[in-house]
Amino acid sequence: DTGVSQDPRHKITKRGQNVTFRCDPISEHNRLYWYRQTLGQGPEFLTYFQNEAQLEKSRLLSDRFSAERPKGSFSTLEIQRTEQGDSAMYLCASRPLGGTEAFFGQGTRLTVV
Amino acid sequence: AQRVTQPEKLLSVFKGAPVELKCNYSYSGSPELFWYVQYSRQRLQLLLRHISRESIKGFTADLNKGETSFHLKKPFAQEEDSAMYYCALSTVTGGGNKLTFGTGTQLKVEL
Repeated sequence: DTGVSQDPRHKITKRGQNVTFRCDPISEHNRLYWYRQTLGQGPEFLTYFQNEAQLEKSRLLSDRFSAERPKGSFSTLEIQRTEQGDSAMYLCASRPLGGTEAFFGQGTRLTVV
Repeated sequence: AQRVTQPEKLLSVFKGAPVELKCNYSYSGSPELFWYVQYSRQRLQLLLRHISRESIKGFTADLNKGETSFHLKKPFAQEEDSAMYYCALSTVTGGGNKLTFGTGTQLKVEL
């Protein structure tokens, strides 16, 4: 599968723990996005990278959230001191420069207990 | 602020019946709209975009700026059309584009 890859697919963690998710975009896609999807809702934008530069962060992204994309390739999303409200599907998407279609990964489902 | 509304959480139709999934948007700029689909146990994928004015898998969607709508239509539903459908609005952010999604409509095609 040469599409967007996310790891892990599922994560169960205790409240207060830190978690980190990884996204590998399609090769040569310089644009990378993180979205969050809760039950019964559509995906909501969290943050956007163009190459290694993080160009926008949603107000949904509290101080406990941080995202990186070193070297403009894979990206990580870290959540510190997880809360039950962080339980959601975290989706990564990538787009090539000039392209209009966003290609999504299969997501990481986070459950905070 | 931009907003996408999909009024129906669930739409159930019989095979061979026409399908219309409703989508309305609110955006002060020039809209760029998409329909994404998620089949069972698969990732979210693009179905069609308004700018292409294309028909994919028999589905079409016309942008109506007067009614701020982008409804998805298919004349004859097939069982394999059963899926979750999301309408999305693309807006410029930090030099790129981000998607604002509706809450989705679950289409169930019954035999």
